[in-house]
Amino acid sequence: KQEVTQIPAALSVPEGENLVLNCSFTDSAIYNLQWFRQDPGKGLTSLLLIQSSQREQTSGRLNASLDKSSGRSTLYIAASQPGDSATYLCALANQAGTALIFGKGTTLSVSS
Amino acid sequence: DGGITQSPKYLFRKEGQNVTLSCEQNLNHDAMYWYRQDPGQGLRLIYYSQIVNDFQKGDIAEGYSVSREKKESFPLTVTSAQKNPTAFYLCASSIGDTFGIGPGTRLTVL
Repeated sequence: KQEVTQIPAALSVPEGENLVLNCSFTDSAIYNLQWFRQDPGKGLTSLLLIQSSQREQTSGRLNASLDKSSGRSTLYIAASQPGDSATYLCALANQAGTALIFGKGTTLSVSS
Repeated sequence: DGGITQSPKYLFRKEGQNVTLSCEQNLNHDAMYWYRQDPGQGLRLIYYSQIVNDFQKGDIAEGYSVSREKKESFPLTVTSAQKNPTAFYLCASSIGDTFGIGPGTRLTVL
């Protein structure tokens, strides 16, 4: 059964730092992988989607990479800002049209 | 505007009462899903439906029921058999690579 793990569970950094959030999965036969952001008490916002055939995606200060062979994905946030404070969730689909399997998330706190 | 709507945003019920959470989408997505989120936890799959009039149990289906009579709608009923129903419930839908998630309903059972 596919399992998704995110480490660390929580991370605190000062403003301006570059940081990396990690996501690992047990079965490399995935269809795609997404990173989401969740603000306290709110729903989810999709940040980046990486197809199985891709190795990375970029959006502004965010860069997500995918290494299926090692079962890992990373979300790189450049020049972090207090507004980046949120919980970041990694999720993947094993096949097209199937439910996403979520990790428990990393809660990021960026201090000014 | 296309999207997924969940209503209400906040819901309170007394213990022992059944309650139905609404989920509607106008994205023409074939598949719909219900997830539950507890503090410090990721999203856990309750039920999903790939097509109208068909649905499957997810990882934590006990104490829940669903129906899929229309493509646009996938209501979730939290029954009195669910031992710990207080949680944040998220509805989602998908077609191909496109996956959308609703704003969620926070259910509190008093």
